[in-house]
Amino acid sequence: EPEVTQTPSHQVTQMGQEVILRCVPISNHLYFYWYRQILGQKVEFLVSFYNNEISEKSEIFDDQFSVERPDGSNFTLKIRSTKLEDSAMYFCASSELGGGNYNEQFFGPGTRLTVL
Amino acid sequence: QKEVEQNSGPLSVPEGAIASLNCTYSDRVSQSFFWYRQYSGKSPELIMSIYSNGDKEDGRFTAQLNKASQYVSLLIRDSQPSDSATYLCAVLAALGNYGGSQGNLIFGKGTKLSVKP
Repeated sequence: EPEVTQTPSHQVTQMGQEVILRCVPISNHLYFYWYRQILGQKVEFLVSFYNNEISEKSEIFDDQFSVERPDGSNFTLKIRSTKLEDSAMYFCASSELGGGNYNEQFFGPGTRLTVL
Repeated sequence: QKEVEQNSGPLSVPEGAIASLNCTYSDRVSQSFFWYRQYSGKSPELIMSIYSNGDKEDGRFTAQLNKASQYVSLLIRDSQPSDSATYLCAVLAALGNYGGSQGNLIFGKGTKLSVKP
């Protein structure tokens, strides 16, 4: 069964450094998403991406964050100048459809980001 | 602020019993609703989606939707210890007043379910 994959599974970085989290969405899916979950808190939407551009973004997704689809399979989230409060699980998700109903989103296993 | 509310639990049920999980949402024009299961330290796993009022059954799971009451529930029949997890209710954010979707999910904080052997 096709699945979303993410690398690395765990990333440790120093405050102020840049990190890139990588995702390979399900191959026939067209819509891609990043969510994050701080320990013990809700899963929060960051950004959605379709047709090589951002569709929606939340207030969390400020200038510190960027997304890119550098090739036909990868979808990346870059966090510049990381802060302690960026420590969280980051989930990539993809869906076949988007911007309408029946938008079933499938999540990858996540990357645990620890900022020291 | 669009909200999804769930009782955080823990909800404890004996093996073989029915577990009932509830969720309310604030945006009355929302059209699409999902239940995810999340084991500790793992990612959300989609188990049910529901779009119309009424019941939708899939194996041991039944999702129920009442848009007038802005209420979604999940019933798990014949609960097993392997069902012990946190169950997340998620609502597809509606765009404007017409129910079209922005595409992003709004999650509740989840209900922790414990099934005792």
